[in-house]
Amino acid sequence: DQQVKQNSPSLSVQEGRISILNCDYTNSMFDYFLWYKKYPAEGPTFLISISSIKDKNEDGRFTVFLNKSAKHLSLHIVPSQPGDSAVYFCAAVGGATNKLIFGTGTLLAVQP
Amino acid sequence: SAVISQKPSRDICQRGTSLTIQCQVDSQVTMMFWYRQQPGQSLTLIATANQGSEATYESGFVIDKFPISRPNLTFSTLTVSNMSPEDSSIYLCSTAEGWEQYFGPGTRLTVT
Repeated sequence: DQQVKQNSPSLSVQEGRISILNCDYTNSMFDYFLWYKKYPAEGPTFLISISSIKDKNEDGRFTVFLNKSAKHLSLHIVPSQPGDSAVYFCAAVGGATNKLIFGTGTLLAVQP
Repeated sequence: SAVISQKPSRDICQRGTSLTIQCQVDSQVTMMFWYRQQPGQSLTLIATANQGSEATYESGFVIDKFPISRPNLTFSTLTVSNMSPEDSSIYLCSTAEGWEQYFGPGTRLTVT
């Protein structure tokens, strides 16, 4: 049972445009959500997070939106840069186990 | 955030052999985590390692297959025992600050 889903395995965007990466979850007990970025041959690096008491968190070019009723979150990158090309994982935590549950990732390619 | 290193960065191993992966953190941390990322899959937690106690394994992972050591607050090892091609994965260690986890660069294991 995949509790955190990223239904788009890949996304291609032109430099300067907006990138929108989506993530859906099924467990209503999740109360904290994170986005990680992973370059090849490197470990995932923490990017941005959001608590379930908020619906938006912004950090520079990165904004995460949370829609609890739809159990959906999204990461917006504006403007997109070629250096943003990486695999992006969303993750969620909460409930009884308090362990991070990761999605399968979305490969973002930003074209110059 | 802590700086985490892993050795080896990659290895190619024969079926039936074992490999020990080392994880070093540049500061003392209470908990260290070991994850596996199989090809095309999300990151899956193998176990949580606390210093001075037995590691706690997630469902589907057992100590005989993935023995873990945690001799001090900055170091841990994960052994992949009696390897088969299905063990070919990226293995990552991580530490946590609150809900945010920070990962090492990973060990890419190929079993032939």
